[in-house]
Amino acid sequence: GDSVTQTEGLVTLTEGLPVMLNCTYQTIYSNPFLFWYVQHLNESPRLLLKSFTDNKRTEHQGFHATLHKSSSSFHLQKSSAQLSDSALYYCALYSGYNKLTFGKGTVLLVSP
Amino acid sequence: NAGVIQTPRHKVTGKGQEATLWCEPISGHSAVFWYRQTIVQGLEFLTYFRNQAPIDDSGMPKERFSAQMPNQSHSTLKIQSTQPQDSAVYLCASSPHPNTEVFFGKGTRLTVV
Repeated sequence: GDSVTQTEGLVTLTEGLPVMLNCTYQTIYSNPFLFWYVQHLNESPRLLLKSFTDNKRTEHQGFHATLHKSSSSFHLQKSSAQLSDSALYYCALYSGYNKLTFGKGTVLLVSP
Repeated sequence: NAGVIQTPRHKVTGKGQEATLWCEPISGHSAVFWYRQTIVQGLEFLTYFRNQAPIDDSGMPKERFSAQMPNQSHSTLKIQSTQPQDSAVYLCASSPHPNTEVFFGKGTRLTVV
């Protein structure tokens, strides 16, 4: 079945440094949809960005990600972390087999 | 648009008791999902309905968990004989289609004592 791997459970950064959260996936479906969801404390997950186009950069709220089908990756990046970016980030995959599969999540903590 | 509505927000049950969780999806959304969230496992898929029909329940512990969607305006998740390991936040979500944005409710925090 489908799977999503987020290798870091916790990422700690100082404000102003670049952010990179890793996401790789496995599916037999050739046209997957990849998503990043963000969950702030005491809130529910909400969509941050999504993509289904190979090698095309997608951006939202200062974050960006590029779907690379050759490496089955969809890493989340931001050039400069802000305190307000501290949250739980989920990578998710929809492969066309109905189920939306989430990774285990990465907690991003940004300190002053 | 009130978003996805889940009730109750908090529920405490004794071990062995039954718990029923309710979800009202966003009007017009044909896909409804149930997830369980814990610190250890993250967001675990439980079950999925499309146009009220059960499509995928591969994440449901078969013996004690069941889900229904009797009409387009609500879905229920029932847990029989609750166990301490069932303690989690149960999230309901809906979307027009699974390949579009999924909107989550605020969740029901279930505590089994």
